[in-house]
Amino acid sequence: SYVLTQPPSVSVAPGKTASITCGGNQIGDKSVHWYQQKSGQAPVLVIHYDSDRPSAIPERFSGSNSGNTATLTITRVEAGDEADYYCQVWDDSRDQVIFGGGTKLTVL
Amino acid sequence: QLQLQESGPGLVKPSEALSLSCTVSGGSISRSSYYWAWVRHAPGEGLEWIGSVYYSGKTYYNPSLKSRVTISVATSKTQFSLRLTSVTAADTAMYYCARHMSSVSLYYFDYWGHGTLVTVSS
Repeated sequence: SYVLTQPPSVSVAPGKTASITCGGNQIGDKSVHWYQQKSGQAPVLVIHYDSDRPSAIPERFSGSNSGNTATLTITRVEAGDEADYYCQVWDDSRDQVIFGGGTKLTVL
Repeated sequence: QLQLQESGPGLVKPSEALSLSCTVSGGSISRSSYYWAWVRHAPGEGLEWIGSVYYSGKTYYNPSLKSRVTISVATSKTQFSLRLTSVTAADTAMYYCARHMSSVSLYYFDYWGHGTLVTVSS
């Protein structure tokens, strides 16, 4: 089945830029969605359709998707951005949702 | 504002069935363009999609769980439910219900419940 690969952890200093990757075979041909999950809370959609932001999500969050890698970028990182981030696609070949393994973002 | 709320037993015995309900308020399950889904998060693991149901009853299931899962919409059209049979300790997780955006295909989960913790233990 289709596999999405994320780095287990990413660390970034406050005010800097964090990039979280999501690798998959020809993922650029799929729509990628990203979720933020803070400890003890439900996931929150932060990016859909590769790069669109829901209205409540700050402009600091952006996404891109090309080739074999999708990327979630968070600029001017804040302490409150510390969370687990998951990428997700719909695998048309098997009619199923696929989540990446998740990336823990640590703000130093 | 759409709200989803999970409910059901927090403790289930091994080999028995887990049954949860999700109550949808502030919107209708019968709207087109949306499926209704269950996603779980086991301790120390990542998110796992269980399955999604359309108001008509059409379903998609995670192949790894398909033999044990039934997701259905209640006749009231304000609730949908999850039934997972023959549970083991590996089914211990926080269970979330969510709205699953669809059009030509299925896409993202834009509204989530707060989640309900289910522990499988004798």
